[in-house]
Amino acid sequence: AQSVTQLGSHVSVSEGALVLLRCNYSSSVPPYLFWYVQYPNQGLQLLLKYTSAATLVKGINGFEAEFKKSETSFHLTKPSAHMSDAAEYFCAVSANSGNTPLVFGKGTRLSVIA
Amino acid sequence: DAGITQSPRHKVTETGTPVTLRCHQTENHRYMYWYRQDPGHGLRLIHYSYGVKDTDKGEVSDGYSVSRSKTEDFLLTLESATSSQTSVYFCAIRVSVGYTGELFFGEGSRLTVL
Repeated sequence: AQSVTQLGSHVSVSEGALVLLRCNYSSSVPPYLFWYVQYPNQGLQLLLKYTSAATLVKGINGFEAEFKKSETSFHLTKPSAHMSDAAEYFCAVSANSGNTPLVFGKGTRLSVIA
Repeated sequence: DAGITQSPRHKVTETGTPVTLRCHQTENHRYMYWYRQDPGHGLRLIHYSYGVKDTDKGEVSDGYSVSRSKTEDFLLTLESATSSQTSVYFCAIRVSVGYTGELFFGEGSRLTVL
């Protein structure tokens, strides 16, 4: 079984500051890992994914995440926050085989202060 | 754009009434999912389908049923709506070709049960 823990339900950063959103996973098999972003009143949009290739994954809008097996982590980072990054971010995990549905974390709301 | 349409997008109903939400896809993908999103809980899987007439339960399936009589439509039914089913419901599909685990989401259906 897979599970995800997102540390911090709300993170606030200043514009131009580093964004760090934390995600730890649990999986009994090699995982696929994902970050999704949700803007207000919209659906979820895939930000980036790890599928057992490169451990450092680059996504859209300048975000990236690093898969660290030893720490069971997949933290999301962006060097410089922009006002438009304010949204809710979800980490998700699935097994890398078969039809295992995605299991989501509870989400982290990112606020960006001018 | 994965061609997912959810209807209705907004619905207000009363406790005890039946409600059906529809998810329609235009690209003939095999796997479809229903999630609900609630503050503090992230997204939780209700039911999913892996083909016409093939469905399975998710984490929070009590009080919900689904049907898939044709590939393009996946229906979620609340037989007798309760206030605890007030939520935002998201349909998702898994892209069949070149599968690497990610799901694509519809815009959501906001349901309020009074």
